[in-house]
Amino acid sequence: GAGVSQTPSNKVTEKGKYVELRCDPISGHTALYWYRQSLGQGPEFLIYFQGTGAADDSGLPNDRFFAVRPEGSVSTLKIQRTERGDSAVYLCASSWNPGQGISDTQYFGPGTRLTVL
Amino acid sequence: AQKITQTQPGMFVQEKEAVTLDCTYDTSDQSYGLFWYKQPSSGEMIFLIYQGSYDEQNATEGRYSLNFQKARKSANLVISASQLGDSAMYFCAMREFSSYNTDKLIFGTGTRLQVFP
Repeated sequence: GAGVSQTPSNKVTEKGKYVELRCDPISGHTALYWYRQSLGQGPEFLIYFQGTGAADDSGLPNDRFFAVRPEGSVSTLKIQRTERGDSAVYLCASSWNPGQGISDTQYFGPGTRLTVL
Repeated sequence: AQKITQTQPGMFVQEKEAVTLDCTYDTSDQSYGLFWYKQPSSGEMIFLIYQGSYDEQNATEGRYSLNFQKARKSANLVISASQLGDSAMYFCAMREFSSYNTDKLIFGTGTRLQVFP
């Protein structure tokens, strides 16, 4: 079956602009995650959705960042008033059902490379 | 707080040889999961192998095996018979999971593996 897909693959924007990044998880996966990966670093957690609700948004750096998953499938990460420090690769992952146990594996998409000029 | 440490920024290995990538972790949880991911230059995070804290045997998946030493809090990845296509970044990660309140992967800084002919 199809894996996690993310669009766009690359996004270049100017400081102060608004951007939306989209994630389409693996069909049937109930959990969805967003991570941010800066150059030379491992991914850092942003937010976790179980179904339509954000179960844990503790990783969002500030209130310029917001994410939604209105129908429990596709998710959009929204960044307002972008800053140069927001430049990174934004990774999305999905998993079958975390409630099934500690071994539930997260499968990642190819990421969106965001560049803020 | 949970933490993953990967002390090898880069490793070289000759084709067909075995290589070990180090990972140590810190957690106060009794039940936890450890994951290894591969990230080629294309950017996608590819799941390789999983080890649960209560698993009595070391995990194996094809040419990948995990040398799990619980008392030392280490979960090293062993790649046997290296191939040129194994050249990539490798990340060790620990799952932080608490019912439906939080579910996230904590990543190390990664090890860049280069396989030469």
